[in-house]
Amino acid sequence: DAKTTQPTSMDCAEGRAANLPCNHSTISGNEYVYWYRQIHSQGPQYIIHGLKNNETNEMASLIITEDRKSSTLILPHATLRDTAVYYCIVIPRLTGNQFYFGTGTSLTVIP
Amino acid sequence: EAQVTQNPRYLITVTGKKLTVTCSQNMNHEYMSWYRQDPGLGLRQIYYSMNVEVTDKGDVPEGYKVSRKEKRNFPLILESPSPNQTSLYFCASSFGQGRPSTRYNEQFFGPGTRLTVL
Repeated sequence: DAKTTQPTSMDCAEGRAANLPCNHSTISGNEYVYWYRQIHSQGPQYIIHGLKNNETNEMASLIITEDRKSSTLILPHATLRDTAVYYCIVIPRLTGNQFYFGTGTSLTVIP
Repeated sequence: EAQVTQNPRYLITVTGKKLTVTCSQNMNHEYMSWYRQDPGLGLRQIYYSMNVEVTDKGDVPEGYKVSRKEKRNFPLILESPSPNQTSLYFCASSFGQGRPSTRYNEQFFGPGTRLTVL
């Protein structure tokens, strides 16, 4: 399974867009990119996923580069409640049973 | 309310004393999984189950057992706990794997169980 690389931590001003990058340079054609977040020590929460097209939902947008080797999660107007650890993971389409969360990016939204 | 429940939420025990952490979901999910979370190591998958009577090892299965006799329950068993199993444990469930073109791979997580083994 492809591994992902994320910055350890990031800061973002409240009200501004938070752009969280993820590198998955070894991703294969049948692997999806998923994003989850974990607030404090609560259980992680699903945010969004995509294959090759950009995706948007009520929580965030996901931008995947054309070569699929990296992606960016965008929180358009960050609030203090978005302070969390964000995980980028890749999952094979046909055998998507194992999840490798890694250590994620700790996002701090600053008032 | 759709949810994943875990019990107990907090547990302090001693080395070698067998324990079970229960996990139950009320969403009729096929897939269930256990994770442990440790500082600096992130979330690591212990075991997962694609359906009743089907379980597989994750990244860190050593020292753990699981069973899936019913669809809704997926208990985690530590036959002989050791201090290195002190951790925060999460159970999760989803509709099913192998079909991530929809949200079948969206996992719902329980609130966590904080285990301390002395």
